[in-house]
Amino acid sequence: GQQVMQIPQYQHVQEGEDFTTYCNSSTTLSNIQWYKQRPGGHPVFLIQLVKSGEVKKQKRLTFQFGEAKKNSSLHITATQTTDVGTYFCAGGPKAAGNKLTFGGGTRVLVKP
Amino acid sequence: DTEVTQTPKHLVMGMTNKKSLKCEQHMGHRAMYWYKQKAKKPPELMFVYSYEKLSINESVPSRFSPECPNSSLLNLHLHALQPEDSALYLCASSRFRDGLYEQYFGPGTRLTVT
Repeated sequence: GQQVMQIPQYQHVQEGEDFTTYCNSSTTLSNIQWYKQRPGGHPVFLIQLVKSGEVKKQKRLTFQFGEAKKNSSLHITATQTTDVGTYFCAGGPKAAGNKLTFGGGTRVLVKP
Repeated sequence: DTEVTQTPKHLVMGMTNKKSLKCEQHMGHRAMYWYKQKAKKPPELMFVYSYEKLSINESVPSRFSPECPNSSLLNLHLHALQPEDSALYLCASSRFRDGLYEQYFGPGTRLTVT
């Protein structure tokens, strides 16, 4: 079955620094979605990328979808303590309908 | 209103109990989902309802029984659970047409089976 992998599993970041988390799928995706889950919270939708090579920005967050639509990345600049949480990528092939497969997540810890 | 509500927030039940989890949304979404999430793991899909019909069952044991009484409500009936079923149970909803759409998650029910 389809697998979605994320690296790194953990990211310890000094406040103010940048970091990137990566997402790789074993199959071509119809789109990729990113979610953030704060400690003790529930996943909250951040963004969806649909087109090959697409890049979208949300303030300090930059999301990219690979040309082959099998990988994606999330880059955060000038990390803040509010960025703490687990970031999940999720997607599925077109044939999967509305079934999302989640990556394992990157748990982000920020050192003030 | 972009809110998905879930009740109860916490539930402790014995292995012989029968209980139900409830989920409600008023966004007009025609797809609703149940996920199970263990600590430090991603959400794991259990069931998908599309237009009030069960469209995906991810080989979930029969001790979990979903129900979609109408387009706004989703229930998960629990019976004879095992301690390993203890987890956060998340409900989500999304639009449903051709393709994948963003999902809106509820706050979850934290279930403990004793």
